[in-house]
Amino acid sequence: SQELEQSPQSLIVQEGKNLTINCTSSKTLYGLYWYKQKYGEGLIFLMMLQKGGEEKSHEKITAKLDEKKQQSSLHITASQPSHAGIYLCGADGRQGNLIFGKGTKLSVKP
Amino acid sequence: DTAVSQTPKYLVTQMGNDKSIKCEQNLGHDTMYWYKQDSKKFLKIMFSYNNKELIINETVPNRFSPKSPDKAHLNLHINSLELGDSAVYFCASSQGPGGYGYTFGSGTRLTVV
Repeated sequence: SQELEQSPQSLIVQEGKNLTINCTSSKTLYGLYWYKQKYGEGLIFLMMLQKGGEEKSHEKITAKLDEKKQQSSLHITASQPSHAGIYLCGADGRQGNLIFGKGTKLSVKP
Repeated sequence: DTAVSQTPKYLVTQMGNDKSIKCEQNLGHDTMYWYKQDSKKFLKIMFSYNNKELIINETVPNRFSPKSPDKAHLNLHINSLELGDSAVYFCASSQGPGGYGYTFGSGTRLTVV
């Protein structure tokens, strides 16, 4: 079965710094999704990547899917306290469900 | 206005009790899901229903029983609650397979004491 490995597990950065979170799949990805979760809240959809080499940006967050479609990265430029939370990568499962990585907890120090 | 709403948001109960968590979506989606997020924040599928029909039933104790009275509702009933059931339970819905268009509820934090 497909597994997603995220790194790092947790990250503490100073406000204004850039950071990258990685997601590696044990199998080829046909749909890769990035979500953000704040404490006590649901998952907020950030971006979806499908094609090898695809890159998408939204505000200061950029996500990429490598050419082989087995690795994705999420890059945040000039981090802000509002970026703090848990970032989860997800992939399409066999029957419409999502398979998730174990998440990366991001803390941004003001 | 809430697209996927779960109730209650917090639930504290004693071991051995039976409890239910309700989920409703007003998006007109055909598929609904229950996910469990454990203490390490690992999110994993439990069940999915498509138009009231059970599609996915992962390895979950049979104390957990989903019920879908109609395609807009998917409730989760848990019998004989155990300490290990403490987790955050998320309901979600989607129009079809694939993560795009997935909408999650805000979660129900269940604490079994």
